[in-house]
Amino acid sequence: AQSVTQLDSQVPVFEEAPVELRCNYSSSVSVYLFWYVQYPNQGLQLLLKYLSGSTLVKGINGFEAEFNKSQTSFHLRKPSVHISDTAEYFCAVSAFSGGSNYKLTFGKGTLLTVNP
Amino acid sequence: DSGVTQTPKHLITATGQRVTLRCSPRSGDLSVYWYQQSLDQGLQFLIQYYNGEERAKGNILERFSAQQFPDLHSELNLSSLELGDSALYFCASSPGGRGGDTQYFGPGTRLTVL
Repeated sequence: AQSVTQLDSQVPVFEEAPVELRCNYSSSVSVYLFWYVQYPNQGLQLLLKYLSGSTLVKGINGFEAEFNKSQTSFHLRKPSVHISDTAEYFCAVSAFSGGSNYKLTFGKGTLLTVNP
Repeated sequence: DSGVTQTPKHLITATGQRVTLRCSPRSGDLSVYWYQQSLDQGLQFLIQYYNGEERAKGNILERFSAQQFPDLHSELNLSSLELGDSALYFCASSPGGRGGDTQYFGPGTRLTVL
C-alpha cells in the first residue's frame, strides 16, 4: 500500500517570498504524483502532476515540483508567492492496486498562509 | 468551475437517519470517485465507479453504499448516521480509470449529523 507524508501542516510566509511545500511518499510500485490546491469553501483543483519524463514539472499559477525517485519526494515550489496563494495544498500518489485499478492516496495537507 | 456538480451543498440531519448525496460528472467522464474529508482523517477515498460498475473500494463503511446510473450520475447513500459521519463529501470524475488521469472535484456536500 502507498502512503503520503506532508512534512509541514502549516507554512506561513510573507508575500513575494519563495516557498517550498514538502511531500514524501512510499510505494512498492511505480507511481504517478499530483499536487492539488483547495481554496476556502471550494473543491480541490489540480496544480500539476508527474507521469513520466522530465522530473521537473511546471503547473498553474507559477508553481513547479520536482520528482526525486531516490528520495521518494515530490516537493512543490514557487519563487514568489501572492496573497491569493493562501490555501491548503495536498500531495497525492496514484499507484496500481490490482486488476485494472489505481488508487489515489492524499497527504494530510499543508496550509499555506501568505501574509502582507 | 470543474464541471462536476454536487447536490445538496449542505445537509443537516440527526443520528440514525439516512441521506443521499448526488453527483453529476463532467461531460464525457466515465469514472466517478467519492471522498470523505474530515479534520481528523483528512481526505479519504471511499469508492470508485467506472461506466456504471464498481471499480475500486477504499475506506467505505458498510453503512455507506453508492451506485452509478446509466446517465453516469452517481449517488452516495449514508445510513444509520452517527456523529462521526459529519464531514465534507467530495465527488470527483475523470475520463477513464487510468492512474495518471486528473480527477476533477466537485464543490462538495457538507454533512452535519446532530
